[in-house]
Amino acid sequence: GIQVEQSPPDLILQEGANSTLRCNFSDSVNNLQWFHQNPWGQLINLFYIPSGTKQNGRLSATTVATERYSLLYISSSQTTDSGVYFCAVEQADNQGGKLIFGQGTELSVKP
Amino acid sequence: DVKVTQSSRYLVKRTGEKVFLECVQDMDHENMFWYRQDPGLGLRLIYFSYDVKMKEKGDIPEGYSVSREKKERFSLILESASTNQTSMYLCASSLGQTQYFGPGTRLLVL
Repeated sequence: GIQVEQSPPDLILQEGANSTLRCNFSDSVNNLQWFHQNPWGQLINLFYIPSGTKQNGRLSATTVATERYSLLYISSSQTTDSGVYFCAVEQADNQGGKLIFGQGTELSVKP
Repeated sequence: DVKVTQSSRYLVKRTGEKVFLECVQDMDHENMFWYRQDPGLGLRLIYFSYDVKMKEKGDIPEGYSVSREKKERFSLILESASTNQTSMYLCASSLGQTQYFGPGTRLLVL
């Protein structure tokens, strides 16, 4: 099956710094989503981005489907950005929205 | 607003007990999913359902079963709980591409 690899596994930032999280996937996808899991365990969908670029406030994401990777950019990080960021993909020949998750990047933003 | 609720945030059960985890969504979504999350392993799909009374095995269905008698409710059942089922359980629902998650249930099996 499709493999999803995220890097780095852990990241510590000072408040105000910028960061880039990467997601590599091993096969064609028709769905790619980025999620943030807060320290209480709640997963929030950040972006649905199978290709192209999207921005939402301080967050933006780019997926280059032909090269099988996606990037999540966090600018001017805040302590509330702490948590785990997951990339999840749906393989192109799959149906029904079954997502495969990467192992996540754990981000800690220090004040 | 999208709302997915799970019956318990924390649950402690004994080995061999039958455990029911309930998930309810109020968005009329057709697709519902159960995942477990373990350190270092990310989220792994246990079962999912495309419609009422329909179910499909995910990547790790062993030791679990599910029930979907109504569109809004998807139940995960541990027939005989074991210590290796101690985990965080997450329910999600979707209509199209985006999945919406519940707050999770942390299950401890003693």
